Amino acid sequence: GQQVMQIPQYQHVQEGEDFTTYCNSSTTLSNIQWYKQRPGGHPVFLIQLVKSGEVKKQKRLTFQFGEAKKNSSLHITATQTTDVGTYFCAGPGSNDYKLSFGAGTTVTVRA
Amino acid sequence: DTEVTQTPKHLVMGMTNKKSLKCEQHMGHRAMYWYKQKAKKPPELMFVYSYEKLSINESVPSRFSPECPNSSLLNLHLHALQPEDSALYLCASSPWAGGPTDTQYFGPGTRLTVL
Repeated sequence: GQQVMQIPQYQHVQEGEDFTTYCNSSTTLSNIQWYKQRPGGHPVFLIQLVKSGEVKKQKRLTFQFGEAKKNSSLHITATQTTDVGTYFCAGPGSNDYKLSFGAGTTVTVRA
Repeated sequence: DTEVTQTPKHLVMGMTNKKSLKCEQHMGHRAMYWYKQKAKKPPELMFVYSYEKLSINESVPSRFSPECPNSSLLNLHLHALQPEDSALYLCASSPWAGGPTDTQYFGPGTRLTVL
Protein backbone atom coordinates (compact mmCIF):
# COMPACT_ATOMS: atom_id res chain seq x y z
CA GLY A 1 0.00 0.00 0.00
CA GLN A 2 0.86 3.65 -0.14
CA GLN A 3 3.61 4.78 2.21
CA VAL A 4 3.22 8.48 1.47
CA MET A 5 0.08 10.49 2.14
CA GLN A 6 -0.63 13.47 -0.10
CA ILE A 7 -2.94 16.44 0.50
CA PRO A 8 -5.06 18.04 -0.74
CA GLN A 9 -6.62 15.64 -3.22
CA TYR A 10 -7.97 18.52 -5.31
CA GLN A 11 -6.79 22.10 -5.65
CA HIS A 12 -8.81 24.69 -7.57
CA VAL A 13 -6.68 27.76 -8.15
CA GLN A 14 -7.32 31.18 -9.65
CA GLU A 15 -4.81 31.95 -12.37
CA GLY A 16 -1.99 34.01 -10.91
CA GLU A 17 -2.40 32.70 -7.36
CA ASP A 18 -0.01 30.46 -5.46
CA PHE A 19 -0.69 27.03 -4.00
CA THR A 20 1.08 24.24 -2.14
CA THR A 21 0.64 20.49 -2.09
CA TYR A 22 2.02 18.34 0.71
CA CYS A 23 3.37 14.84 1.05
CA ASN A 24 3.77 13.13 4.44
CA SER A 25 5.20 9.85 5.66
CA SER A 26 5.21 8.19 9.08
CA THR A 27 8.70 6.88 8.43
CA THR A 28 11.95 8.50 7.32
CA LEU A 29 12.32 8.51 3.55
CA SER A 30 15.60 7.93 1.74
CA ASN A 31 14.35 10.22 -1.00
CA ILE A 32 11.17 11.74 -2.39
CA GLN A 33 10.34 12.22 -6.05
CA TRP A 34 7.71 14.38 -7.70
CA TYR A 35 5.91 13.62 -10.96
CA LYS A 36 3.34 15.53 -13.00
CA GLN A 37 0.64 13.92 -15.11
CA ARG A 38 -1.28 16.14 -17.50
CA PRO A 39 -4.90 15.19 -18.31
CA GLY A 40 -4.81 12.27 -20.75
CA GLY A 41 -1.03 12.01 -20.38
CA HIS A 42 1.49 9.97 -18.49
CA PRO A 43 3.57 10.76 -15.38
CA VAL A 44 6.63 12.88 -16.08
CA PHE A 45 9.49 13.10 -13.61
CA LEU A 46 9.97 16.58 -12.12
CA ILE A 47 12.51 16.37 -9.30
CA GLN A 48 14.18 14.15 -6.73
CA LEU A 49 15.05 15.31 -3.20
CA VAL A 50 17.56 13.36 -1.13
CA LYS A 51 19.04 15.58 1.58
CA SER A 52 17.43 16.71 4.80
CA GLY A 53 16.05 20.25 4.43
CA GLU A 54 16.77 20.30 0.70
CA VAL A 55 15.11 22.99 -1.39
CA LYS A 56 15.12 22.92 -5.18
CA LYS A 57 13.54 25.34 -7.61
CA GLN A 58 12.35 24.94 -11.18
CA LYS A 59 11.13 28.32 -12.43
CA ARG A 60 7.85 28.87 -10.55
CA LEU A 61 7.99 25.49 -8.75
CA THR A 62 9.71 25.14 -5.37
CA PHE A 63 10.25 21.69 -3.86
CA GLN A 64 11.18 21.11 -0.23
CA PHE A 65 12.24 18.06 1.77
CA GLY A 66 11.65 18.28 5.50
CA GLU A 67 14.44 18.29 8.07
CA ALA A 68 13.29 14.90 9.39
CA LYS A 69 12.90 13.55 5.84
CA LYS A 70 9.31 12.61 6.57
CA ASN A 71 7.55 15.28 4.55
CA SER A 72 7.85 17.23 1.35
CA SER A 73 6.04 20.06 -0.36
CA LEU A 74 5.60 21.51 -3.82
CA HIS A 75 4.80 25.21 -4.01
CA ILE A 76 3.77 26.82 -7.29
CA THR A 77 3.74 30.59 -7.60
CA ALA A 78 1.67 32.63 -10.07
CA THR A 79 -0.25 29.59 -11.32
CA GLN A 80 -0.76 29.32 -15.06
CA THR A 81 -3.08 27.17 -17.15
CA THR A 82 -0.05 25.07 -18.10
CA ASP A 83 0.14 23.94 -14.45
CA VAL A 84 -3.08 21.94 -14.81
CA GLY A 85 -2.64 18.26 -14.03
CA THR A 86 -2.08 15.82 -11.20
CA TYR A 87 1.06 16.08 -9.12
CA PHE A 88 2.26 12.88 -7.46
CA CYS A 89 4.90 12.50 -4.82
CA ALA A 90 6.61 9.11 -4.65
CA GLY A 91 8.80 7.50 -2.04
CA PRO A 92 10.14 4.10 -1.08
CA GLY A 93 7.38 1.51 -0.81
CA SER A 94 6.50 -1.09 1.77
CA ASN A 95 9.49 -3.31 1.00
CA ASP A 96 11.79 -0.30 0.62
CA TYR A 97 12.70 -1.55 -2.85
CA LYS A 98 9.95 -0.19 -5.04
CA LEU A 99 8.69 3.35 -5.54
CA SER A 100 5.25 4.01 -4.08
CA PHE A 101 3.11 6.88 -5.33
CA GLY A 102 0.97 9.14 -3.21
CA ALA A 103 -2.69 9.62 -4.14
CA GLY A 104 -1.90 12.81 -6.07
CA THR A 105 -3.14 16.40 -6.03
CA THR A 106 -5.26 17.28 -9.06
CA VAL A 107 -4.94 20.95 -9.94
CA THR A 108 -7.45 22.92 -11.98
CA VAL A 109 -6.96 26.57 -12.88
CA ARG A 110 -9.66 29.25 -13.28
CA ALA A 111 -8.71 31.79 -15.90
CA ASP B 1 16.59 8.70 -27.85
CA THR B 2 15.14 9.72 -24.49
CA GLU B 3 11.72 8.22 -24.59
CA VAL B 4 9.79 5.10 -23.76
CA THR B 5 7.43 3.92 -26.47
CA GLN B 6 4.38 1.73 -26.04
CA THR B 7 2.12 -0.04 -28.50
CA PRO B 8 -0.73 -0.12 -29.06
CA LYS B 9 -2.11 3.21 -27.80
CA HIS B 10 -5.58 1.75 -27.40
CA LEU B 11 -6.76 -1.84 -27.15
CA VAL B 12 -10.24 -3.30 -26.88
CA MET B 13 -10.46 -7.00 -26.17
CA GLY B 14 -12.96 -9.61 -25.15
CA MET B 15 -12.59 -11.76 -22.07
CA THR B 16 -11.54 -14.77 -24.12
CA ASN B 17 -8.92 -12.97 -26.22
CA LYS B 18 -5.15 -13.14 -25.94
CA LYS B 19 -3.25 -9.94 -26.62
CA SER B 20 0.12 -8.40 -25.84
CA LEU B 21 1.29 -4.94 -24.87
CA LYS B 22 4.73 -3.85 -25.97
CA CYS B 23 7.20 -1.39 -24.52
CA GLU B 24 10.59 -0.28 -25.81
CA GLN B 25 13.35 2.02 -24.57
CA HIS B 26 16.75 2.81 -26.07
CA MET B 27 18.22 4.77 -23.19
CA GLY B 28 20.32 1.85 -21.92
CA HIS B 29 18.20 1.66 -18.78
CA ARG B 30 18.59 -1.48 -16.68
CA ALA B 31 15.18 -1.63 -15.03
CA MET B 32 11.75 -1.73 -16.63
CA TYR B 33 8.33 -1.64 -15.03
CA TRP B 34 4.67 -2.29 -15.68
CA TYR B 35 2.09 -0.18 -13.86
CA LYS B 36 -1.69 -0.20 -13.92
CA GLN B 37 -3.53 3.09 -13.49
CA LYS B 38 -7.23 3.48 -12.94
CA ALA B 39 -8.95 6.83 -13.48
CA LYS B 40 -8.16 9.42 -10.79
CA LYS B 41 -5.77 7.01 -9.03
CA PRO B 42 -1.97 6.84 -8.83
CA PRO B 43 0.00 4.30 -10.84
CA GLU B 44 -0.01 0.90 -9.17
CA LEU B 45 3.10 -1.22 -9.59
CA MET B 46 2.65 -4.64 -11.20
CA PHE B 47 6.10 -5.92 -12.18
CA VAL B 48 9.74 -4.86 -12.12
CA TYR B 49 12.50 -6.28 -14.28
CA SER B 50 16.05 -5.58 -13.27
CA TYR B 51 18.83 -6.58 -15.66
CA GLU B 52 16.26 -8.57 -17.63
CA LYS B 53 15.24 -10.65 -14.63
CA LEU B 54 11.89 -10.39 -12.87
CA SER B 55 12.64 -8.83 -9.48
CA ILE B 56 9.19 -7.80 -8.25
CA ASN B 57 5.75 -9.29 -8.89
CA GLU B 58 3.18 -7.43 -6.85
CA SER B 59 0.90 -10.47 -6.50
CA VAL B 60 -0.53 -9.85 -9.94
CA PRO B 61 -3.07 -12.43 -11.22
CA SER B 62 -1.62 -14.98 -13.63
CA ARG B 63 -3.81 -13.68 -16.46
CA PHE B 64 -1.09 -11.01 -16.74
CA SER B 65 2.24 -12.47 -17.88
CA PRO B 66 5.30 -10.26 -18.28
CA GLU B 67 8.23 -10.98 -20.53
CA CYS B 68 11.55 -9.22 -21.02
CA PRO B 69 13.13 -10.52 -24.25
CA ASN B 70 16.13 -8.18 -23.95
CA SER B 71 17.24 -5.06 -22.11
CA SER B 72 15.28 -2.74 -24.42
CA LEU B 73 11.99 -4.58 -24.66
CA LEU B 74 9.22 -5.41 -22.24
CA ASN B 75 6.00 -7.21 -23.05
CA LEU B 76 2.84 -7.84 -21.09
CA HIS B 77 0.82 -10.82 -22.28
CA LEU B 78 -2.88 -10.71 -21.52
CA HIS B 79 -5.22 -13.68 -21.38
CA ALA B 80 -8.73 -14.18 -20.07
CA LEU B 81 -8.98 -10.69 -18.64
CA GLN B 82 -11.93 -9.34 -16.69
CA PRO B 83 -13.79 -6.06 -17.29
CA GLU B 84 -12.28 -4.69 -14.06
CA ASP B 85 -8.85 -4.99 -15.70
CA SER B 86 -9.76 -2.08 -17.96
CA ALA B 87 -7.23 0.66 -17.20
CA LEU B 88 -4.25 2.60 -18.51
CA TYR B 89 -1.20 0.34 -18.57
CA LEU B 90 2.02 2.26 -18.20
CA CYS B 91 5.52 1.06 -18.92
CA ALA B 92 8.49 2.80 -17.34
CA SER B 93 12.24 2.44 -17.27
CA SER B 94 14.97 3.64 -14.94
CA PRO B 95 18.73 3.83 -15.27
CA TRP B 96 19.82 1.43 -12.56
CA ALA B 97 18.60 -1.65 -10.76
CA GLY B 98 15.07 -0.47 -10.10
CA GLY B 99 15.27 0.64 -6.49
CA PRO B 100 13.29 3.44 -4.85
CA THR B 101 15.97 6.06 -5.60
CA ASP B 102 15.79 5.46 -9.34
CA THR B 103 13.95 8.10 -11.32
CA GLN B 104 11.47 6.59 -13.71
CA TYR B 105 10.67 7.51 -17.28
CA PHE B 106 7.16 6.62 -18.33
CA GLY B 107 5.79 5.73 -21.72
CA PRO B 108 2.49 7.18 -22.98
CA GLY B 109 0.55 4.08 -21.93
CA THR B 110 -1.91 1.66 -23.49
CA ARG B 111 -5.55 2.33 -22.70
CA LEU B 112 -7.11 -1.10 -22.36
CA THR B 113 -10.82 -1.83 -22.43
CA VAL B 114 -12.04 -5.35 -21.65
CA LEU B 115 -15.54 -6.13 -22.82
